[in-house]
Amino acid sequence: AQKITQTQPGMFVQEKEAVTLDCTYDTSDPSYGLFWYKQPSSGEMIFLIYQGSYDQQNATEGRYSLNFQKARKSANLVISASQLGDSAMYFCAMRGTGSARQLTFGSGTQLTVLP
Amino acid sequence: EPEVTQTPSHQVTQMGQEVILRCVPISNHLYFYWYRQILGQKVEFLVSFYNNEISEKSEIFDDQFSVERPDGSNFTLKIRSTKLEDSAMYFCASSSRGGIYNEQFFGPGTRLTVL
Repeated sequence: AQKITQTQPGMFVQEKEAVTLDCTYDTSDPSYGLFWYKQPSSGEMIFLIYQGSYDQQNATEGRYSLNFQKARKSANLVISASQLGDSAMYFCAMRGTGSARQLTFGSGTQLTVLP
Repeated sequence: EPEVTQTPSHQVTQMGQEVILRCVPISNHLYFYWYRQILGQKVEFLVSFYNNEISEKSEIFDDQFSVERPDGSNFTLKIRSTKLEDSAMYFCASSSRGGIYNEQFFGPGTRLTVL
């Protein structure tokens, strides 16, 4: 079974500052993918970034980077230079091997960017 | 940029009625999914579909639910006799491949309200 834990229900950050959203995971799969999605108040789910368990380098995508620490089973999302439009719910998710191809989501972190 | 579309955006129904939620996945994608999100809660996997059959389903996906790909473009979720607890946002997603490193692209969701 896979489990994703996001321990920060809400976070505040000042505009233009960086923020880290925490995500820890648990799985017995030797290979897995880790994903972050953004959900604005309008409700849609927007894919942000992913990290493969065998990737040697941390994933980056524009202002988003993933701080992957395999030994600690953590995959924290770092947003640099926060913008007001970054205010949203952020979900960490994972996907393992085997027949199950679905994503397992965490409970999310509500990020509010302050002007 | 290709995207997943869903209709309707909001569906209101009476308890016990049948509803069909429609999705048009990205055209060259082969794997299709339904997820749901009860208000304020995490996103939960319902079912995955590949090669015209269900490949995986969660315990939520009981006999009241069914999925179908009636033609080459649509992917539908049917709830035969809706209950109050079926009220949620329902997301359709698709991916080009089933590998663990392949992101799933989500549609904008259908908000189902059961009265």
